[in-house]
Amino acid sequence: DAGVIQSPRHEVTEMGQEVTLRCKPISGHDYLFWYRQTMMRGLELLIYFNNNVPIDDSGMPEDRFSAKMPNASFSTLKIQPSEPRDSAVYFCASSPQGSYGYTFGSGTRLTVV
Amino acid sequence: EDQVTQSPEALRLQEGESSSLNCSYTVSGLRGLFWYRQDPGKGPEFLFTLYSAGEEKEKERLKATLTKKESFLHITAPKPEDSATYLCAVQRSNDYKLSFGAGTTVTVRA
Repeated sequence: DAGVIQSPRHEVTEMGQEVTLRCKPISGHDYLFWYRQTMMRGLELLIYFNNNVPIDDSGMPEDRFSAKMPNASFSTLKIQPSEPRDSAVYFCASSPQGSYGYTFGSGTRLTVV
Repeated sequence: EDQVTQSPEALRLQEGESSSLNCSYTVSGLRGLFWYRQDPGKGPEFLFTLYSAGEEKEKERLKATLTKKESFLHITAPKPEDSATYLCAVQRSNDYKLSFGAGTTVTVRA
């Protein structure tokens, strides 16, 4: 298996622009998680899905952030409009069952200038 | 709210010099405590899950233990390739999200 695949690896955008991050989980994994990592706050959960249904989005910072999972093999995290404070590494992870260790992707490094 | 505190923040070791990392936690109803390794520019890599006090798990030079309030990751005779940031995380019994600590960055010098 190729693991969890995220794209793009790096994204540089101007403040106010829309940014879309993409994730393909491991086939057969029912749980998908979006995390954000910064030096100041470490790894923070943004949202997670079970069988394509959002279960907990309490970590989504504000209405500028939205996430979708239209099918079992694809998820997006969208930021509109982007702000410099959104600069971070965004990780997607998947798990066959929620109680198992997650497999993380390589992340998307987002820089908003 | 769940709290996960890791210490020390950074650890510099000579090759072969064994040491331990600490993860203290406060969580309402622990399902499991997880250890991950993260290399620069990469996503965290799963190492262990511990479910109950007294449980121990080993992988190569790493051994993780769990009590009711903390977990230790012991590194025995480390090698330079063990250099990484080690993260611990807790999962509640009524949820599937992981709450992570800030990590311990380990540097092993040859």
